Amino acid sequence: NAGVTQTPKFRILKIGQSMTLQCTQDMNHNYMYWYRQDPGMGLKLIYYSVGAGITDKGEVPNGYNVSRSTTEDFPLRLELAAPSQTSVYFCASRDRGGNTEAFFGQGTRLTVV
Amino acid sequence: EDQVTQSPEALRLQEGESSSLNCSYTVSGLRGLFWYRQDPGKGPEFLFTLYSAGEEKEKERLKATLTKKESFLHITAPKPEDSATYLCAVTGNQFYFGTGTSLTVIP
Repeated sequence: NAGVTQTPKFRILKIGQSMTLQCTQDMNHNYMYWYRQDPGMGLKLIYYSVGAGITDKGEVPNGYNVSRSTTEDFPLRLELAAPSQTSVYFCASRDRGGNTEAFFGQGTRLTVV
Repeated sequence: EDQVTQSPEALRLQEGESSSLNCSYTVSGLRGLFWYRQDPGKGPEFLFTLYSAGEEKEKERLKATLTKKESFLHITAPKPEDSATYLCAVTGNQFYFGTGTSLTVIP
């Protein structure tokens, strides 16, 4: 199994451009998450989803949008990129239940110039 | 408001010098506390899940414990390969992370 796959691994955007970070998982997990991690910092939750068609905001949702049309995919959309969105983005998934661990992708390193 | 706080922010140990990392939390209805290891440039890697106060889990040189307000990650006789950032997280539907402890083990 591939687990959680994120694409692209690296991207440079110009201010004002838009892009979609892709995340797909093959473990049939209900819950999926998007985090950002700034240098030397912990993970901040951007958005999460508890199942197809259901999404909700996390701690830092401004400037981002998500959709969850299938169980497998949870893309993160950046509209009008800003330098403050320069970060490493991680997608994660976990099975239903409060005590199940999350599995992470390898991250997307995004630079906005 | 749910919160997770880790201390210290950074820790430097000599090889073989045991120590503990702390994760304190305020969560209504804790359902699980998780410890992860993160190496530079990589995603977090799962270590332990703890569910209830008094529970302990061990893996090689690492031992995690849980009370009603905090968790400790004890590192016994660490080696340089244990150098990493250690993250704790708590959960309901959301999955909240602390800011992590950056551990450096010096040979």
